[in-house]
Amino acid sequence: DTEVTQTPKHLVMGMTNKKSLKCEQHMGHRAMYWYKQKAKKPPELMFVYSYEKLSINESVPSRFSPECPNSSLLNLHLHALQPEDSALYLCASSLPGGEGKEQYFGPGTRLTVT
Amino acid sequence: SQQGEEDPQALSIQEGENATMNCSYKTSINNLQWYRQNSGRGLVHLILIRSNEREKHSGRLRVTLDTSKKSSSLLITASRAADTASYFCATDASGGSYIPTFGRGTSLIVHP
Repeated sequence: DTEVTQTPKHLVMGMTNKKSLKCEQHMGHRAMYWYKQKAKKPPELMFVYSYEKLSINESVPSRFSPECPNSSLLNLHLHALQPEDSALYLCASSLPGGEGKEQYFGPGTRLTVT
Repeated sequence: SQQGEEDPQALSIQEGENATMNCSYKTSINNLQWYRQNSGRGLVHLILIRSNEREKHSGRLRVTLDTSKKSSSLLITASRAADTASYFCATDASGGSYIPTFGRGTSLIVHP
């Protein structure tokens, strides 16, 4: 199984809502990533988990809170978002460490903040 | 940051033609990867070329790497309408965290 799944596919939320994005993989990858992608732009790295520990936080605002409950799951908790946070949120996984590894991406969650 | 710059930003060709996209970067790298993204979807890994390699092939894809010029090219031969997508190069800097950093991408349209 070489698939990364993400739920939901689409999410519309108000600025006072709390919601979560979910990501799952069963490839035995121990590195997982969250990216944010605006239209016609490249993916921007947000967080990296390695062996279920947060290893990189690219100065992301605290209204985004990642969680890695086990080696297969990655969550992104959202609270008090702003309209400019509307974007495609991509999850990816890879083998950890060493030379750059191929990343497997999920289909993304299209988030709209109203 | 070690961000690649793809050129051209947009490319429009007819089915059957070849498509060439270029990527330039600023500092020494461990490797360079190319990804494809269909509209609004996740990225799909196409090919990885290491800093000590000069050329790699995968099906209709040919990637070259010139570390002296800090550039790479992706050639898609005999293009198909299904190749319509955005293509990104991703680099990770030598001595860095091995996290690939994506360039701005080339939008390819292949007309049937």
